[in-house]
Parts: sequence; C-alpha cells; structure tokens
Amino acid sequence: AQSVTQPDIHITVSEGASLELRCNYSYGATPYLFWYVQSPGQGLQLLLKYFSGDTLVQGIKGFEAEFKRSQSSFNLRKPSVHWSDAAEYFCAGYNSGGSYIPTFGRGTSLIVHP
Amino acid sequence: NAGVTQTPKFQVLKTGQSMTLQCAQDMNHEYMSWYRQDPGMGLRLIHYSVGAGITDQGEVPNGYNVSRSTTEDFPLRLLSAAPSQTSVYFCASSRGQTNQPQHFGDGTRLSIL
Repeated sequence: AQSVTQPDIHITVSEGASLELRCNYSYGATPYLFWYVQSPGQGLQLLLKYFSGDTLVQGIKGFEAEFKRSQSSFNLRKPSVHWSDAAEYFCAGYNSGGSYIPTFGRGTSLIVHP
Repeated sequence: NAGVTQTPKFQVLKTGQSMTLQCAQDMNHEYMSWYRQDPGMGLRLIHYSVGAGITDQGEVPNGYNVSRSTTEDFPLRLLSAAPSQTSVYFCASSRGQTNQPQHFGDGTRLSIL
C-alpha cells in the first residue's frame, strides 16, 4: 500500500542543535510530499511542500526538506532549533497520478531541552 | 482574521445521538476536507469536496455524511454516534482542486459515551 512512514516517535534535541526528522514514502510515481507542524491544541500548519523540480525545498520557520528518490525519503531539517519548535511534526503525501487522498505519517514529537 | 473556523471546540455525545460539526472558511478556497486524528496516528481523511455541490469519500467515510451547498461551509454530520468515533476532527481548506491541505481549523474534540 502507498504510505508515508515516520520511523521516530520522539526526538529530543538541545536548543541550538541541528534537527533532522525522518520521513520515508512508498509511492510508485512521483509523489507530492508535505511537512506539517502541530502545536498542542492547535490544527496543523503547513511548513513546506514538494511537487517537482528542485529537490531541496525551503519552508517557513527556517525549515527545509530534501527529496531523495534513491532513498524514498523526504527528511525535514533545521540548522538550529529553538525552544518554540517543540511540537508534533507530520509528514504527508500522495501519488501525483492517484486519487489525491493524502496519507499522513503517525507523527514525530519533538522535545527541545534548554 | 482569515482562516478556517470550526465549531464546537468540544462536544460530548451519547451513543446513538446525531450531531453536525461545523466548518467555515473565508478564503474562497475550492477544496475542503475533514480529517480525524486518533492517538498515535496521523490524520485520516473522512470526506472531501472540490467545490460547491461536489463531495467524495476519503479513507474512513463510514458513519459520516457531508454536503457542500456553498463555497464557505462544509459541515460534517454524524448520523448515529458510536464510541469508535471518539476523536479529534479537523477541517482543512486549500486553493485549487487538488488535495493540498494548506489551512486547518483548530479542531473539534468529540467524545462519545
């Protein structure tokens, strides 16, 4: 089945450290991929999206993600984490030639230590 | 402020009761959708609409109905509530007619007793 997988349930980093959240996909055709952030009690906020073209995508809040077809990955990165980045992060995607029903990963909870 | 507004924020129902979750957006977005979020899981699509008068089923449509009479509103109806429908429900909207959910409401937390 076509899906998105986030292997890490929790990630803990120190404030100021770099961050990489993993996302793997299994779509046959070129996928549309997204990263969202969810703060407690809030809805999801779109950080960035990849449709085609440049494989390094810049998003809001200083985040970026790199699409790697050879590794079926779309990992989210940030060079220096701030305490306010503590939240739940979701990767999502769907097949560009499919039903346009997005599949969400189970989420990665980011904990930031001072 | 522009965005997606969901009401109510919290609701407790008894098994068998019906209710409607409201969703409204003021960005003139064509695409609207409903998701449910359960603990330890990502969001799952319930129903979606690509414009007024057009709706379609998502991944988990059973037990839910939708209609889209205007561009702005996309209500979700629970016909006969069941404990398995206890969840947090999110409405989302986006520009265009492909499902690229861009704006989410703050959610409705629904408990079925």
